[in-house]
Amino acid sequence: AQKVTQAQTEISVVEKEDVTLDCVYETRDTTYYLFWYKQPPSGELVFLIRRNSFDEQNEISGRYSWNFQKSTSSFNFTITASQVVDSAVYFCALSERSGANSKLTFGKGITLSVRP
Amino acid sequence: SAVISQKPSRDICQRGTSLTIQCQVDSQVTMMFWYRQQPGQSLTLIATANQGSEATYESGFVIDKFPISRPNLTFSTLTVSNMSPEDSSIYLCSVDLRYNEQFFGPGTRLTVL
Repeated sequence: AQKVTQAQTEISVVEKEDVTLDCVYETRDTTYYLFWYKQPPSGELVFLIRRNSFDEQNEISGRYSWNFQKSTSSFNFTITASQVVDSAVYFCALSERSGANSKLTFGKGITLSVRP
Repeated sequence: SAVISQKPSRDICQRGTSLTIQCQVDSQVTMMFWYRQQPGQSLTLIATANQGSEATYESGFVIDKFPISRPNLTFSTLTVSNMSPEDSSIYLCSVDLRYNEQFFGPGTRLTVL
């Protein structure tokens, strides 16, 4: 069975601070995909990134960066110079491969509050 | 990405009634998914809906409670039947646009009194 653990439940930072959101996963699959989604107070789920299990390169997109390490089964997300608009719940998710089924298993989410 | 819409965006319903939620996508997709997010909780998959076949339900979810239709490649409905306050949640549909890349609709906020 696959599992996603987001041990941090709530994080509060002051604007312009850097913050790292942790994600640890468990799976028996050799091929899998990892995701991060953002859920602002409006409730919609915004896709941020997908990473497949064969690509361990770190990725940077503006103020966002992701560190994927298979050796520790972690896929951590860092926001540099945080802004108030970054306040949201962030979910890490794992995709199971069962035939063509790509259903997602989500972590419990991390509530990030960025104070001005 | 795709444009995914859901109707209604929110509703307040009475115990014992049923509500049908619609999900419309602006492109043809093979797989659509329905998730539930209870207050303050994470997302849980209810079922996978492929066009032309019966939906596949996850453990803990049954067709009698959450019947799903998938009449074509751009549309699906989820019905929440015989509702109780425990069904108060956000219900989200998602689509798999490219292999293993899911995008979500805006969600339907349901409150059951």
